[in-house]
Amino acid sequence: DTEVTQTPKHLVMGMTNKKSLKCEQHMGHRAMYWYKQKAKKPPELMFVYSYEKLSINESVPSRFSPECPNSSLLNLHLHALQPEDSALYLCASSQVRAGEQFFGPGTRLTVL
Amino acid sequence: QKEVEQDPGPLSVPEGAIVSLNCTYSNSAFQYFMWYRQYSRKGPELLMYTYSSGNKEDGRFTAQVDKSSKYISLFIRDSQPSDSATYLCAMNSRGGATNKLIFGTGTLLAVQP
Repeated sequence: DTEVTQTPKHLVMGMTNKKSLKCEQHMGHRAMYWYKQKAKKPPELMFVYSYEKLSINESVPSRFSPECPNSSLLNLHLHALQPEDSALYLCASSQVRAGEQFFGPGTRLTVL
Repeated sequence: QKEVEQDPGPLSVPEGAIVSLNCTYSNSAFQYFMWYRQYSRKGPELLMYTYSSGNKEDGRFTAQVDKSSKYISLFIRDSQPSDSATYLCAMNSRGGATNKLIFGTGTLLAVQP
């Protein structure tokens, strides 16, 4: 099974809302990633978790808060977002020392 | 200079054509090379994964890596309208828990029936 699942598929939120994005994989991967993708641009790395510990934060604003409750789950908590944060949010996973990453279908986020 | 350069296209070809997609890179430490296909408003799908130099074939798809020239290619034979998508090259170097992928900007491909 090479599937990464993400919920919800679509999310519309106001600038004062708090919401969470969820990601799950059952491939036994111990590295998980959050990416942000704007239209006609490649994915842009936000966070990397390795063995459930945050190993990379690409200077992401604190209104984005990641969480890795266990080796299969990854959350992204959202609070006080701005309209420019509207994008496709992608989760990916990989073996820690492998190059290939497997992406989920993404959550399309719209901030009003 | 960007670490990875990719022609953004768009590239339009007739059905059945052979398609060649290319990326160049500047970092000689890159050892893992990937091609992803991304349909509109969907997540990237891993198509091909190669390590170091050489060729890899999977059905209608062939990936080539030439590390001496810092050049990678993806060939699609007998292209189909369902191949219409954005193709992203990506690469990284081995080691550590970071595995930060460096992406090209993507090439938009349209296969005309």
